[in-house]
Amino acid sequence: EIVLTQSPGTLSLSPGERATLSCRASHSVSNSYLAWYQQKPGQAPRLLIYGASSRATGIPDRFSGSGSGTDFTLTISRLEPEDFAVYYCQRYGDSPLFAFGPGTKVDIK
Amino acid sequence: QVHLQESGPGLVKPSETLSLTCTVSGGSITTINHYWGWIRQAPGKGLEWIGHMHFDGSTHYNPSLESRVSISVDTTKNHFSLKLRSVTAADTAVYFCVRVVEMATIHFDPWGQGTLVTVSS
Repeated sequence: EIVLTQSPGTLSLSPGERATLSCRASHSVSNSYLAWYQQKPGQAPRLLIYGASSRATGIPDRFSGSGSGTDFTLTISRLEPEDFAVYYCQRYGDSPLFAFGPGTKVDIK
Repeated sequence: QVHLQESGPGLVKPSETLSLTCTVSGGSITTINHYWGWIRQAPGKGLEWIGHMHFDGSTHYNPSLESRVSISVDTTKNHFSLKLRSVTAADTAVYFCVRVVEMATIHFDPWGQGTLVTVSS
């Protein structure tokens, strides 16, 4: 099973700062099959990034994804107040077919 | 724009069957590149993929739940359903229905708002 690990567990930052979130896989994941989601309290997750680096429809360009193989990164260039949330990476392939990382919480410093 | 809405009982007794339906609006459930699935999130926990299905009948389930779960699609009503048998307190979670988009990549978009199902006597 390809396990996803996210770090840090919590990231405390101020609005306007840059956030760098890491997602590491225990074995290589195809770029095509790595996605990122944002979840706010009481809401469903929302797709941010698919194919490791493609922004979903309506996602601001301050969100960007990068990486390959076992190391992937979600970057928020300048945090807006609405960006404080939990972020999950997700992979496809292996067994189970889909799995999520444990999440990184971005909270206000 | 496709919208998903879950419906079903919010309380299920232990050992019984959890049944949820997801109604799809704004799009057809018979789109070739789309699958329809379920993901759950136990209180305060992360996300767990349950399974998904294509309208042609092909299904994929999480091995950890495969013995208890079934997903079905009703093309006439443009909705799909989840059944989870023999539930225990560990099945208490918010259940999200999702569209699985498969093109050059594969991801979940959109998600339903989620419905909390509590397993308790």
